[in-house]
Amino acid sequence: DGGITQSPKYLFRKEGQNVTLSCEQNLNHDAMYWYRQDPGQGLRLIYYSQIVNDFQKGDIAEGYSVSREKKESFPLTVTSAQKNPTAFYLCASRAGGPDTQYFGPGTRLTVL
Amino acid sequence: SQKIEQNSEALNIQEGKTATLTCNYTNYSPAYLQWYRQDPGRGPVFLLLIRENEKEKRKERLKVTFDTTLKQSLFHITASQPADSATYLCALATGGYNKLIFGAGTRLAVHP
Repeated sequence: DGGITQSPKYLFRKEGQNVTLSCEQNLNHDAMYWYRQDPGQGLRLIYYSQIVNDFQKGDIAEGYSVSREKKESFPLTVTSAQKNPTAFYLCASRAGGPDTQYFGPGTRLTVL
Repeated sequence: SQKIEQNSEALNIQEGKTATLTCNYTNYSPAYLQWYRQDPGRGPVFLLLIRENEKEKRKERLKVTFDTTLKQSLFHITASQPADSATYLCALATGGYNKLIFGAGTRLAVHP
């Protein structure tokens, strides 16, 4: 089945720890995105990548890092510099042009 | 500043009626606008895309209008069903095709 997967579904982190969220797609899409969703707020863009080995900061990139070494994979690291990391994280991909974004099921990160 | 606004209060309607959700924006000139459905704890799912030169788009029981003069999009679900209960997000394309800016969403509850 074609799709986009995220793991884990739930993640708990102690303060001061870095944690990496996985995002994989087998849709052969060039562009991939990471969003953060907080209650009562819209999705906010963290990072996006239009092509392998290239990525750009979104609106709230501070405290996050990404890599795009393979077309299929776009992992997000939440670093200890992110002051309020507890949120629902969504990964998405897009084929190209004015096309839709396909979202993964999300990872809920809780900092203890 | 740029802003996207959707009804923050939940919309409650009776089964069989038409649901109308509003998306207003300021200080954007989007090339197109999209609507997504999001169920609790899951990623958004694409519903419809409408371009700036289109006034209306339909898909089964769904209809979207796009008024670039009023800077508003309306999303209609006719003959609504309890299964239509979800949060509906509007998103504007900005920066060409590369990025979407999402509204906070409107929660729709359809009662039997």
